[in-house]
Amino acid sequence: QSVLTQPPSASGTPGQRVTISCSGSSSNIGTNSVNWYQQLPGTAPKLLIYNHNQRPSGVPDRFSGSKSGTSASLAIGGLQSEDEADYYCAAWDDSLNGHFVFGTGTKVTVL
Amino acid sequence: EVQLVESGGGLVQPGGSVRLSCAASGFTFSTSWMSWIRQAPGKGLEWVANIYPDGSHQYYVDSLRGRFTISRDNAKNSLFLQMDSLRAEDTAVYYCSRDRQGSRYYDVEYWGQGTLVTVSS
Repeated sequence: QSVLTQPPSASGTPGQRVTISCSGSSSNIGTNSVNWYQQLPGTAPKLLIYNHNQRPSGVPDRFSGSKSGTSASLAIGGLQSEDEADYYCAAWDDSLNGHFVFGTGTKVTVL
Repeated sequence: EVQLVESGGGLVQPGGSVRLSCAASGFTFSTSWMSWIRQAPGKGLEWVANIYPDGSHQYYVDSLRGRFTISRDNAKNSLFLQMDSLRAEDTAVYYCSRDRQGSRYYDVEYWGQGTLVTVSS
């Protein structure tokens, strides 16, 4: 059972800004860095944001991340049709001997 | 170019065992943290386990500790997952990953394409 909670779905029209929340606790987001992953239909996930707000090479700057306390957010500015995918937050959790946890996932639909 | 190629998946009977392998290339395997992550059909991602670069320590998700064992062979640039006492709920695509670790920092940087394990009679 995931300890990082995300809304199951989000949507927007092309060009709109969409924000996805990720709620955690002091043992994960409150202490450790947050990452975001994008999973396009039928493919393996891809690292989208690391260390709260850093983008790997090749990720457009319309993707941005932020963190406040025990919550984090991913914003997609200027939504495009190719952004339709599942998005997962993740962080290391210091509880239970330590383990990595993923969020529950959010399906983004471009209307 | 980082490449991670999983193998060993397939159909296995409940109570059976399977050993997954991951062949790594394009990076220095012996200095990299590695993980296994799974995704049941139509479900979200679940981290399974990771292993230190030298193989000396492993972390597991609590629910799988004791049934699954992660290991590596740095001489062969290979990662393994031994899965025992398999149940229907272990049916999933299993991904191998290369990770990065630091102080208060961990991420799953690169993913393989995954191998499907189906537990069914």
